[in-house]
Amino acid sequence: GENVEQHPSTLSVQEGDSAVIKCTYSDSASNYFPWYKQELGKRPQLIIDIRSNVGEKKDQRIAVTLNKTAKHFSLHITETQPEDSAVYFCAPQMDSSYKLIFGSGTRLLVRP
Amino acid sequence: SAVISQKPSRDICQRGTSLTIQCQVDSQVTMMFWYRQQPGQSLTLIATANQGSEATYESGFVIDKFPISRPNLTFSTLTVSNMSPEDSSIYLCSVGTGNTIYFGEGSWLTVV
Repeated sequence: GENVEQHPSTLSVQEGDSAVIKCTYSDSASNYFPWYKQELGKRPQLIIDIRSNVGEKKDQRIAVTLNKTAKHFSLHITETQPEDSAVYFCAPQMDSSYKLIFGSGTRLLVRP
Repeated sequence: SAVISQKPSRDICQRGTSLTIQCQVDSQVTMMFWYRQQPGQSLTLIATANQGSEATYESGFVIDKFPISRPNLTFSTLTVSNMSPEDSSIYLCSVGTGNTIYFGEGSWLTVV
């Protein structure tokens, strides 16, 4: 089955710095690569996604890059703010269905 | 788009009892998915609910513990049977339509 690894497990940055979280996956059939943000006590929320025909996608301070050959994709957050503090999950799509396999999560702390 | 109504949103359950979670979608979808998120952990796919056939369970999940119904294309239920404190989790249903995956608000279950 699909194997997903997410690094780092925790990340602490100073406000204004950038944060990068990386996700590797094993299923070459995956073609949808979302990132979710989960705040305490809330369900995960989609923040950005990318499909396999695109190498990079940006939405204001958030970007996702995809390297399909190497089977990894990364979340980039620039100019981090304290409200970016949360747990982030990658969740590559499994076997061309709507099933997602979630990474283990990255706890991001943005220090003011 | 799809709007998912999931209930209960929260419940406290006695050990040994069973609880059924309902998921209603405002449009017809072929597959519905059930996930579990244990405290401090990532989301794990429990099963895929197909209309007109038995659910397909992921490794580590069995029908006796998590029976699923899918009576039509807009509704599914997940029962957590004979609950123990280890079943304290957030349970989420999910559907996909078009290019988008949607999640319900989640059911926060605490087993005491």
